[in-house]
Amino acid sequence: NFTLSQPPSVSGSPGETATISCTGTGGDIVNNFVLWYQQRPGSAPSNVIYGDNRRPSGVPARFSGSIDSSSNSASLTISGLRAEDEADYHCQSSDGSQTLIFGGGTKLTVL
Amino acid sequence: EVRLVQSGPEVRKAGDSLKISCKGGGYSFATYWIAWVRQMPGKGLEWMGSVYPADSDIRMSPAFQGQVSLSADMIRSTVYVEWAGLNVADSAIYYCARRNRELDVWGQGTSVTVSS
Repeated sequence: NFTLSQPPSVSGSPGETATISCTGTGGDIVNNFVLWYQQRPGSAPSNVIYGDNRRPSGVPARFSGSIDSSSNSASLTISGLRAEDEADYHCQSSDGSQTLIFGGGTKLTVL
Repeated sequence: EVRLVQSGPEVRKAGDSLKISCKGGGYSFATYWIAWVRQMPGKGLEWMGSVYPADSDIRMSPAFQGQVSLSADMIRSTVYVEWAGLNVADSAIYYCARRNRELDVWGQGTSVTVSS
């Protein structure tokens, strides 16, 4: 069965670029869209990327998503890091039906 | 305003039964899948299952099959998660979320604390 794995933590200084990876195992990550959620402490998650690389209305262009079929992974890139970007980030995909698959989450620290 | 409002925090003992709820408003509740997601303390998100209120179609994660029951009441625009007998390991925050292209609307979460 298909699983997603993320690094436990990533850090960067204000103004820098941070990249969070999400690696698929047991299937091809290109077969279904990857989504990303931001979760600030004490709050529910909110979507920042859907459809591999599309941003919902209101999400800054500093957030971008990509897929690398050669490494079977997806990435969330946040450029121009700000203190407010400090949060947990979760990747999510599906098996093509209603089954949802989450990565383990990555804590982004803005130094 | 599109919203999902969940029931309040719960404190129970192991072996107790429990039913928590998620009420939708501001949209056609019947025609969107609602997913339930567990978040154990300090951990990531886990999909438990999803329910389609229009016909109560239910899809369960194998990890939660037989552990919880999902249901929907279209008249009340509410979906539920129910436990017949809680375990300490069920202590977590439980979120409901509307599935669109993405999980686009989330409830505020229901904290469940189970003591031995």
